[in-house]
Amino acid sequence: EAGVAQSPRYKIIEKRQSVAFWCNPISGHATLYWYQQILGQGPKLLIQFQNNGVVDDSQLPKDRFSAERLKGVDSTLKIQPAKLEDSAVYLCASSFIGEDIQYFGAGTRLSVL
Amino acid sequence: GESVGLHLPTLSVQEGDNSIINCAYSNSASDYFIWYKQESGKGPQFIIDIRSNMDKRQGQRVTVLLNKTVKHLSLQIAATQPGDSAVYFCAENTGGFKTIFGAGTRLFVKA
Repeated sequence: EAGVAQSPRYKIIEKRQSVAFWCNPISGHATLYWYQQILGQGPKLLIQFQNNGVVDDSQLPKDRFSAERLKGVDSTLKIQPAKLEDSAVYLCASSFIGEDIQYFGAGTRLSVL
Repeated sequence: GESVGLHLPTLSVQEGDNSIINCAYSNSASDYFIWYKQESGKGPQFIIDIRSNMDKRQGQRVTVLLNKTVKHLSLQIAATQPGDSAVYFCAENTGGFKTIFGAGTRLFVKA
């Protein structure tokens, strides 16, 4: 089966610019997650969707980060405006409802200069 | 477990030896634990899981041990191979399907 697809793989922007990441989960996976992984650290959950509803966004910096999953399938994560400390890999994962195992995409590596 | 910044704990083993990667978790209410493997440039990949009503679970070449008394988890890899070189994360679920990742351990396998 096809895995979680993410694009772009790499993005370089200057601070104060905006950026968007896209994720297409595994077919049939109703739960979708966005994680931020700073170099040398474990992934940190930013937001979790179940279908098109938000389950948990407690660690999402809502003043600059936003995410949507309008049709309950693919999702976009946006940062506006970006800061230097947003440099990280942004990982998308998906799972079946009620299943704890998450399947991750390869991530988007963001560098903010 | 929270981040240890840029200095990931590192384990270096000889090819063919057994590896033991340790993890301390923080929440005594966590009832489900997962080990993920992350190779360079890739996302984490599921290896093995264990529920809190068990203390040991075996997979192919991997074993997870859970000690709830001291909130400790370990991953044992038998006959470590070069392809096992990666960063390994333990993750805990505290219920409600919220997963918290530890800081990770980098495994180097020497040929």
